[in-house]
Amino acid sequence: DIVMTQSPDSLAVSLGERATINCKSSQSVLYSSDNENYLAWYQQKPGQPPKLLIYWASTRESGVPDRFSGSGSGTDFTLTISSLQAEDVAVYYCHQYYRTPRTFGQGTKVEIK
Amino acid sequence: QVQLVQSGSELKKPGASVKVSCQASGYTFTTFAMNWVRQAPGQGPEWMGWINTNTGNPTYAQGLTGRFVFSLDTSVSTAFLQISSLKAEDTAVYYCARGNPADVWGKGTTVTVSS
Repeated sequence: DIVMTQSPDSLAVSLGERATINCKSSQSVLYSSDNENYLAWYQQKPGQPPKLLIYWASTRESGVPDRFSGSGSGTDFTLTISSLQAEDVAVYYCHQYYRTPRTFGQGTKVEIK
Repeated sequence: QVQLVQSGSELKKPGASVKVSCQASGYTFTTFAMNWVRQAPGQGPEWMGWINTNTGNPTYAQGLTGRFVFSLDTSVSTAFLQISSLKAEDTAVYYCARGNPADVWGKGTTVTVSS
């Protein structure tokens, strides 16, 4: 199985400041045939299902604010929230959809400082 | 609009069975795979597997025993998850989610197993 490890487990950021979440996969999720990284980021708020923010490591889902961006390739990935807003308080998960079983990181809880 | 509507919460005793439904609307059901994901209280999501909505062929996560069965009724654009011989550790929110990566999710069905 591909193990996804996020860091940190939690972070507190002031409103308007940058939040950065890292995700490392135990093996590459870059598929050589299409040169795509099979890596997604989800946001989950209490009582709600996960919401897809980013796929192919850096493609923003329709309707997602542009303060959310994804980067990285191979085994190392980053989700950046450029200017944290109150509504961004949530748990964020990275997710590989390269191989079965699909796996998620353990989650990073983002709070307001 | 595209949506997945799941059945309501269930409270079951150990040893019982439960069948969760997930009805799709707003798109052609057979054009996207359907995943099942569970989330135990206070835990992260766990992918349980997926079902090919064209062929009905299911793929289960390796740790999932034969107690879990994915099925379809394409005539009503609905996917089902059946869990038999329920245990306390099956207590979780069960989500259906479309596609790879999963871009549309149901709101979840809470299954509570308690004597």
